Amino acid sequence: QTVVTQEPSFSVSPGGTVTLTCGLSSGSVSTSNYPSWYQQTPGQAPRTLIYSTNSRSSGVPDRFSGSILGNKAALTITGALAEDESDYYCVLRVTRGIRVFGGGTKLTVL
Amino acid sequence: QVQVVQSGAEVKKPGASVKVSCKASGYSLTTYGITWVRQAPGQGLEWLGWISAHNNTEYAQNLQGRVSMTTDTSTNTAYMELRSLRSDDTAMYYCAREFGWGFDSWGLGTLVTVSS
Repeated sequence: QTVVTQEPSFSVSPGGTVTLTCGLSSGSVSTSNYPSWYQQTPGQAPRTLIYSTNSRSSGVPDRFSGSILGNKAALTITGALAEDESDYYCVLRVTRGIRVFGGGTKLTVL
Repeated sequence: QVQVVQSGAEVKKPGASVKVSCKASGYSLTTYGITWVRQAPGQGLEWLGWISAHNNTEYAQNLQGRVSMTTDTSTNTAYMELRSLRSDDTAMYYCAREFGWGFDSWGLGTLVTVSS
């Protein structure tokens, strides 16, 4: 069973930069895993931020960026705002069309 | 604009089945697939499976045999049926359009409660 790993929680100061990561229990993450990232606030449906590693979804501010860092996918928020305080989930394509969500990262902005 | 609208909340008894619908507008289900995701209370997101624009399906391993995903191209509506419901199937169920091996245009969710 493939497990996708994320930091359970992270904290960033307003205006600061934070990088959240997304790893694979079975090895390295590459662009072939098509990493995507989602933001969710309590009681709301998820919002798509990034797809295919580094493509921003329509309307997403450019302070959100995606990349591969070492052997993991990464979501970087540059110039964090209070409104960025949310849960963040990554998804990886693990085989054929099978996708797996990470456990999510709770981001606190303070 | 691209939008998906889901059916309303459901309450089911253990052992029953539920079928959730997801009506797409602004695009055709013969062009983009639909993925299904659920979130149990207080838990993270779980990918359930997807149906491609060509009607191919793939399901999460832990749901194999209990889940079916279909589309009706005449109404541009996708369906997710989950059978032999258990209490741990209680969750908010979301559909979203497939895009770039990710998902966009999420529905607002359908709450499925399984309780005797």
